[in-house]
Amino acid sequence: DGGITQSPKYLFRKEGQNVTLSCEQNLNHDAMYWYRQDPGQGLRLIYYSQIVNDFQKGDIAEGYSVSREKKESFPLTVTSAQKNPTAFYLCASRAPGTENEQFFGPGTRLTVL
Amino acid sequence: GQQVMQIPQYQHVQEGEDFTTYCNSSTTLSNIQWYKQRPGGHPVFLIQLVKSGEVKKQKRLTFQFGEAKKNSSLHITATQTTDVGTYFCAGDDRGSTLGRLYFGRGTQLTVWP
Repeated sequence: DGGITQSPKYLFRKEGQNVTLSCEQNLNHDAMYWYRQDPGQGLRLIYYSQIVNDFQKGDIAEGYSVSREKKESFPLTVTSAQKNPTAFYLCASRAPGTENEQFFGPGTRLTVL
Repeated sequence: GQQVMQIPQYQHVQEGEDFTTYCNSSTTLSNIQWYKQRPGGHPVFLIQLVKSGEVKKQKRLTFQFGEAKKNSSLHITATQTTDVGTYFCAGDDRGSTLGRLYFGRGTQLTVWP
C-alpha cells in the first residue's frame, strides 16, 4: 500500500526535552510538508521541503527543525525552544501531475507535560 | 504576505439543510483546492479548481472559483450526517507542483439528525 506514515500516533514528553516526529512516504513524492493544527487555528505550515537536502521555513518555524536526507523521510524535531509544543502534527507530501494535491499522514498528537 | 480567509468558522445545521463555506484570498490564485477532515482524522483532498469562474460538482457538493480567481465557495445541498467534519480551502499562488499551499482556517460543520 502506498501512503504516508507517521509515528507514533500519541506522544508524551516532559517539558524541556526535544522530541522527533517521524514521517515516511513511499509515494515517490518530491515535496513534503509539516503542519501544526490547534483547535480553531486550521493548518499552519512549519517547514516544507521540495527536494532532498533542501527545505524552507513555513509560517511558524521557530522552535522546530527538520532534515531531508532521503526522499522518503522528513522528520520534525520539536525543540525545547518551542513555547507551546502541545498540538496535533500533520505531515503531508504533494503529488506532481494534474491536480498535485497534498496527501496527509494520520498525524501525531504531541502532549508536553 | 499571502493570506486565505475562510468563513464561517463554525456552522451547525439540521440534516437536510444546505451549507456553504467561503474563501477569500488576498492575492490572485493559480488554483484552489478543497479538503475535508473528519473528526479525529486527517485532511483528505476533495477537488482542485483552476479556471476563472470554474464550477465543479461532486454529487451534493458544488465548488466554485471566482472570476478574479481570488475567492471560492463550497456548497453542500441537503446535508447528511456523513458530511460532518471540517472543510478547508487551500490556495496555490504559483501553480508549482512542489510549492506550498495557503490553508484557510477551516469551517467546522455539525449536522444534527
